[in-house]
Amino acid sequence: DIQMTQSPASLSASVGETVTITCRASENIYSYLAWYQQKQGKSPQLLVYNAKTLAEGVPSRFSGSGSGTQFSLKINSLQPEDFGSYYCQHHYGTPLTFGAGTKLELK
Amino acid sequence: EVQLQQSGPELVKPGASVKISCKTSGYTFTEYTMHWVKQSHGKSLEWIGGINPNNGGTSYNQKFKGKATLTVDKSSSTAYMELRSLTSEDSAVYYCARRDYGYGGGFAYWGQGTLVTVSA
Repeated sequence: DIQMTQSPASLSASVGETVTITCRASENIYSYLAWYQQKQGKSPQLLVYNAKTLAEGVPSRFSGSGSGTQFSLKINSLQPEDFGSYYCQHHYGTPLTFGAGTKLELK
Repeated sequence: EVQLQQSGPELVKPGASVKISCKTSGYTFTEYTMHWVKQSHGKSLEWIGGINPNNGGTSYNQKFKGKATLTVDKSSSTAYMELRSLTSEDSAVYYCARRDYGYGGGFAYWGQGTLVTVSA
């Protein structure tokens, strides 16, 4: 199975700051990577697919990059609604696997 | 509008089975595979498996083979997941999610989740 290693596990930041979350795959997944945001008590929401394509309705302050085994999600100018948990997930074959998550908290 | 509406919370005894549903609307049910994801309290997400509603073909995470069975009812556009021989390790929120190749194969639509609590 492909392992997804996500870091950091938690992150404190202020409104207006820029943050980056990284995800490493245990083998080459090309660009078959998605990022999700999950708020407390809610379902995950797709933010980015194919490593760098924003899902419909996702603000442009979010950006994804990377290919192969190294990926990142960058959030520019954090807004209050951006705080929550973030997960990467590969979609290259099965089983599909997720990273352990990054909890983004307000400093 | 695409909607995935899951059944309500379940409290079940150890050793029992539970069947949760995911009723869909707003799209052609047979055109997208449906998947199930487990989230234990405070933890990450685990893919359980997926089903092709068109032909009933399934793909399971090896970890959940024998634990979960995925089925569909095309007449009501509803997907089901049955979990058997439940233990406390199965207590979690379970989501259905539609896999969307228009979104690169990511899960663009999710149900609201069903909380399963296994307790005597």
